[in-house]
Amino acid sequence: KQEVTQIPAALSVPEGENLVLNCSFTDSAIYNLQWFRQDPGKGLTSLLLIQSSQREQTSGRLNASLDKSSGRSTLYIAASQPGDSATYLCAAPRENNNAGNMLTFGGGTRLMVKP
Amino acid sequence: NAGVTQTPKFQVLKTGQSMTLQCAQDMNHNSMYWYRQDPGMGLRLIYYSASEGTTDKGEVPNGYNVSRLNKREFSLRLESAAPSQTSVYFCASSELRESLLGYTFGSGTRLTVV
Repeated sequence: KQEVTQIPAALSVPEGENLVLNCSFTDSAIYNLQWFRQDPGKGLTSLLLIQSSQREQTSGRLNASLDKSSGRSTLYIAASQPGDSATYLCAAPRENNNAGNMLTFGGGTRLMVKP
Repeated sequence: NAGVTQTPKFQVLKTGQSMTLQCAQDMNHNSMYWYRQDPGMGLRLIYYSASEGTTDKGEVPNGYNVSRLNKREFSLRLESAAPSQTSVYFCASSELRESLLGYTFGSGTRLTVV
């Protein structure tokens, strides 16, 4: 059974800091790994998806890396802004994933960026 | 705008009542999913439909039924609501070919069972 863990559970930083969110998973035979953003009371927005053959993906100030051998992914946010305040979730496909894309989610990191 | 639409956004039920949560996507995705999100438990898969005409149980299917009405629509039914089903429910769709997009989620249904 795939288990996904995110550390820290909550993080508060001043505006402008670079920060790293961590995600670990128990089954390294993953199809891909995705990072999502969730604003309070809202749904999930996909940020980055890393295929199992890739080591990282970049989108603007966001960079996600994947190390399958160690069961880890990190989300790097450069020059953080108050608008980045949200909960960030990582997710990886479950074992025996015949549907190809069912995800097991981590508990999330609640990020607050203070002006 | 293209995406996943869920109705209703909010609902309060009495224990034992039934209701159906509706979900529709207009992206021509093959796969659709129902998740519930609870504090301290994260998102857990209830049911999924890998393609039109198929449905399968996820991690927490007890107390729920689903119907994949057509490629666009995937509904979740609570036959006899219980307080333990108080949660936020999210519908999602995905398409393997759209590797950079991955999942698209609806905005959620907040359900309270009293």
